[in-house]
Amino acid sequence: QQQVKQSPQSLIVQKGGISIINCAYENTAFDYFPWYQQFPGKGPALLIAIRPDVSEKKEGRFTISFNKSAKQFSLHIMDSQPGDSATYFCAARGEAAGNKLTFGGGTRVLVKP
Amino acid sequence: DAGVIQSPRHEVTEMGQEVTLRCKPISGHNSLFWYRQTMMRGLELLIYFNNNVPIDDSGMPEDRFSAKMPNASFSTLKIQPSEPRDSAVYFCASSLVPAYNEQFFGPGTRLTVL
Repeated sequence: QQQVKQSPQSLIVQKGGISIINCAYENTAFDYFPWYQQFPGKGPALLIAIRPDVSEKKEGRFTISFNKSAKQFSLHIMDSQPGDSATYFCAARGEAAGNKLTFGGGTRVLVKP
Repeated sequence: DAGVIQSPRHEVTEMGQEVTLRCKPISGHNSLFWYRQTMMRGLELLIYFNNNVPIDDSGMPEDRFSAKMPNASFSTLKIQPSEPRDSAVYFCASSLVPAYNEQFFGPGTRLTVL
């Protein structure tokens, strides 16, 4: 059972454009929502994370928007650069699950120069 | 800090053979995770340990898979016997308990079962 649904599966954006990736979850017990970035041949690495007590978190060109009532959260990459080309995974964790993260299916982002 | 170390980086084996993947977590981390990544199923958690104790192995696909963590600095994931459908990239990750701490992933082991 997929508890975190991620869309789109792939995304092509021009350099300087905005990349938007969406995730929806079902389990209302989730209380921590990280995004991981993965380059080809590498393991995923934490990009940015949010707790549900805030609706937005920004770090540089990366912003998470969180809508608790809709059980949705999204990643916005502003001024997308070719170096941002990677696969992005959203994830969620609930206290009852201990340290366990449930990952979305991933979005492959290609930024064209 | 060397990060999470996995070996081997690539493994090619024939169906029916035993495969052992190894992981050294970041020193001081007390949670360790094994993930499997495929195009079809994405990133799946197989098992995780806290303080060397298996906490959740509900993601282990079947009895052919087993994982051990004999001490805080070493873990193994064993597949016996291996099957072609086990072909995937296997990642090990480590973090600090309590939760909300970043999981640091290793570079992965690409397993091909012929």
